[in-house]
Amino acid sequence: EAQVTQNPRYLITVTGKKLTVTCSQNMNHEYMSWYRQDPGLGLRQIYYSMNVEVTDKGDVPEGYKVSRKEKRNFPLILESPSPNQTSLYFCASSTLAARAYEQYFGPGTRLTVT
Amino acid sequence: QQQVKQSPQSLIVQKGGISIINCAYENTAFDYFPWYQQFPGKGPALLIAIRPDVSEKKEGRFTISFNKSAKQFSLHIMDSQPGDSATYFCAAGEGGSNYKLTFGKGTLLTVNP
Repeated sequence: EAQVTQNPRYLITVTGKKLTVTCSQNMNHEYMSWYRQDPGLGLRQIYYSMNVEVTDKGDVPEGYKVSRKEKRNFPLILESPSPNQTSLYFCASSTLAARAYEQYFGPGTRLTVT
Repeated sequence: QQQVKQSPQSLIVQKGGISIINCAYENTAFDYFPWYQQFPGKGPALLIAIRPDVSEKKEGRFTISFNKSAKQFSLHIMDSQPGDSATYFCAAGEGGSNYKLTFGKGTLLTVNP
């Protein structure tokens, strides 16, 4: 089954404790992206990657890091989480042939930072 | 600057009615306009999309209407059903070398039985 998986699905942590949210896709997509979803703000892009070792900032990159060492994986790293990073996070993937317009989203990770 | 403005923020419709969600944009470089549907606890999923060379696209009960001169596009859901209750996001993709979707803020649709 073609899918994007994220782990963990739910995470409660404390301020300053480094964490990683994993994302993996099995569709051989070149493009991967991270979004955060907040009430009233919709989906905002954090980082994206157009291929292995190629990443770039989205609209709200502050406080986040990413890496793309393998085509299928695109982890999101919060090195020192703060309460304002409490949010619902989505990973998505797409082919470059579709110009990243037709994105497949993961199920989401709900992060709470206390 | 909000590049894609979506309205209304929430919408309540009776079963069998028509749901209409509107989006407006300013960037004339946008060349692809998808709509995503998100059920509670799930990630968004592509529902229907349109390119600016056509004024309307229909897939089942879902229709996108596109007005290039007004820089507006809308989603119409005919014969709305309780199973259509979800959050809907419009989005716009920019051409050229910019592989990016800009999303509206979303519309929470509730269809009452």
